[in-house]
Amino acid sequence: KAGVTQTPRYLIKTRGQQVTLSCSPISGHRSVSWYQQTPGQGLQFLFEYFSETQRNKGNFPGRFSGRQFSNSRSEMNVSTLELGDSALYLCASSFGGGRNTEAFFGQGTRLTVV
Amino acid sequence: ELKVEQNPLFLSMQEGKNYTIYCNYSTTSDRLYWYRQDPGKSLESLFVLLSNGAVKQEGRLMASLDTKARLSTLHITAAVHDLSATYFCAVVSGGGADGLTFGKGTHLIIQP
Repeated sequence: KAGVTQTPRYLIKTRGQQVTLSCSPISGHRSVSWYQQTPGQGLQFLFEYFSETQRNKGNFPGRFSGRQFSNSRSEMNVSTLELGDSALYLCASSFGGGRNTEAFFGQGTRLTVV
Repeated sequence: ELKVEQNPLFLSMQEGKNYTIYCNYSTTSDRLYWYRQDPGKSLESLFVLLSNGAVKQEGRLMASLDTKARLSTLHITAAVHDLSATYFCAVVSGGGADGLTFGKGTHLIIQP
């Protein structure tokens, strides 16, 4: 079955711009989580959506937001980009709903802010 | 706040040797994951550990979980070069939500 799909794979943006990243989970999975990976901070949890509702949020500023659609696809938006937002953004999908199952990661979107 | 600590963070070892990576976490959790990441790639799921005393093995890798000690180990047996990667443990904070808190990762280099 198809895995987690993230688009685009690579992105270059200028400071002050905004960006939207997309994640399509594995069919049947209702939970999508987003993570930021940087060399300095490692992997950090951004937020998690389940059935179109944000269930959990990490410690990131309000410039980082997301949403989930009825087909479980999720988007993440970063406004007013800063140089420090350059990172690999990963999304993970799982069944969610309290079921103890694996979280599968997409290939990531590498964002470079110049 | 849930904290996850891995050690060591860097490990260089020779093929054929055994070694263990440790993962400690600070609060009760109902799930612990081990992932592998190759340079420039995404995270590959290795193990999901759900209960105290859980042990899972795949090839030369074996993971275990002690929920009372809040400790998981990833043991590498007779290491081979192909196992060179960064290994992460991650813990779910619970409460029905699925967000993961990751350790900083163990960068493993296995030399021929």
